[in-house]
Amino acid sequence: GAVVSQHPSWVICKSGTSVKIECRSLDFQATTMFWYRQFPKQSLMLMATSNEGSKATYEQGVEKDKFLINHASLTLSTLTVTSAHPEDSSFYICSAPNSGRVLNNEQFFGPGTRLTVL
Amino acid sequence: GQQVMQIPQYQHVQEGEDFTTYCNSSTTLSNIQWYKQRPGGHPVFLIQLVKSGEVKKQKRLTFQFGEAKKNSSLHITATQTTDVGTYFCAGREAAGNKLTFGGGTRVLVKP
Repeated sequence: GAVVSQHPSWVICKSGTSVKIECRSLDFQATTMFWYRQFPKQSLMLMATSNEGSKATYEQGVEKDKFLINHASLTLSTLTVTSAHPEDSSFYICSAPNSGRVLNNEQFFGPGTRLTVL
Repeated sequence: GQQVMQIPQYQHVQEGEDFTTYCNSSTTLSNIQWYKQRPGGHPVFLIQLVKSGEVKKQKRLTFQFGEAKKNSSLHITATQTTDVGTYFCAGREAAGNKLTFGGGTRVLVKP
């Protein structure tokens, strides 16, 4: 099956710093990728839809200036958490559909990035 | 907006027993998907249901999509320790392309 990688797998940073998380589709192209956040023992909450070549679409309540998304190529999307604070500590997961079409396609999830902000 | 609810939140099952987890959407869905997330891992796709009333089986797992395409269920027979994890349903609305995840059912198996 399709493979999605994320880097880094975990990161610890000081409050106020920015952290960049990369999401790559390794063996397929993804014009759309999704970014989720998952708090311990909770469900996945969609943060934004990353679109190659255009602006990301953010879900209600997600600050676009705090969570910067750049979909630079058909295989790479990045999420930058700017001026991170302890409440941003979470598990961030990206996913991509298994073909160029989003509808009716399973999502392949990356392994996730665990962010801890001190 | 769309809401997807799952019950139960937790399921403690004796090894060898059966159990069912239920998923209900506040809106009609174009399709529903099920994922399994092992502790410390990421969600892994299990199956997708598209048709009203559809039933699909994967070995000991049986997935069903309701006639109204607003609910779904996952039934596991003869539970094994390898079934441990959290099972999420995720619904896609007819007019949208994003998945809304349910809260998940965390399954613990007692040997």
